[in-house]
Amino acid sequence: EMQLVESGGGLVQPGGPLRLSCAASGFTFSSVWMSWVRQAPGKGLELVANINQDGNTKYHVDSVKGRFTISRDNDRNSLYLQMNSLRVEDTAVYYCAKFMSRAYDVWGQGTMVTVSS
Amino acid sequence: DVVMTQTPLSLSVTPGQPASISCKSSQGLLHSDGNTYFYWYLQKPGQSPQLLIYEVSGRFSGVPDRFSGSGSGTDFTLKISRVETEDVGIYYCMQATHLPFTFGPGTKVDIK
Repeated sequence: EMQLVESGGGLVQPGGPLRLSCAASGFTFSSVWMSWVRQAPGKGLELVANINQDGNTKYHVDSVKGRFTISRDNDRNSLYLQMNSLRVEDTAVYYCAKFMSRAYDVWGQGTMVTVSS
Repeated sequence: DVVMTQTPLSLSVTPGQPASISCKSSQGLLHSDGNTYFYWYLQKPGQSPQLLIYEVSGRFSGVPDRFSGSGSGTDFTLKISRVETEDVGIYYCMQATHLPFTFGPGTKVDIK
């Protein structure tokens, strides 16, 4: 069974850093694109970042560019999101998602990030 | 960015009756490679989103055949032939033709 398990969420003060992790299992992690998608409380879905199979191609949405960095470790079957200079508006559930043929076909359960003083 | 608009934003349906959700994009979604990267997702209460329909009309693995997708260009539709109680949740359309990939605001479906 394909599975994604996120971790690392929590409460952080504005301006602070946080690193999210996503552990993948049940599929060949190194062969697929991966993404982070977020959902603010009571709101819709927003792509945060994509990364290709070897980690050499990355895309970050404008609202996080320069503050967030997506990365991966194929030896550990893990995806990461380093978030710096966090803002109140970054408060959301962050989902790790497997990206196949431009569809998010497997999603994790999400990890909550709350940015508040 | 491509703006995705869904109508209606909420829908109350009697079990066994059909339902339809429309999604319009602010730009055409036909990619230069000939594919249209348009998707439908369902987020059931308290759960992560799940893929229902890929590339306009392909039903994802395990999705019941009462769900169907259609459309082209900028106008797309999701139809449920006979709504069941397990179909409640928020339905999102998404485009992956143009970066950044963008989602619609969601259509909340509940049971009468």
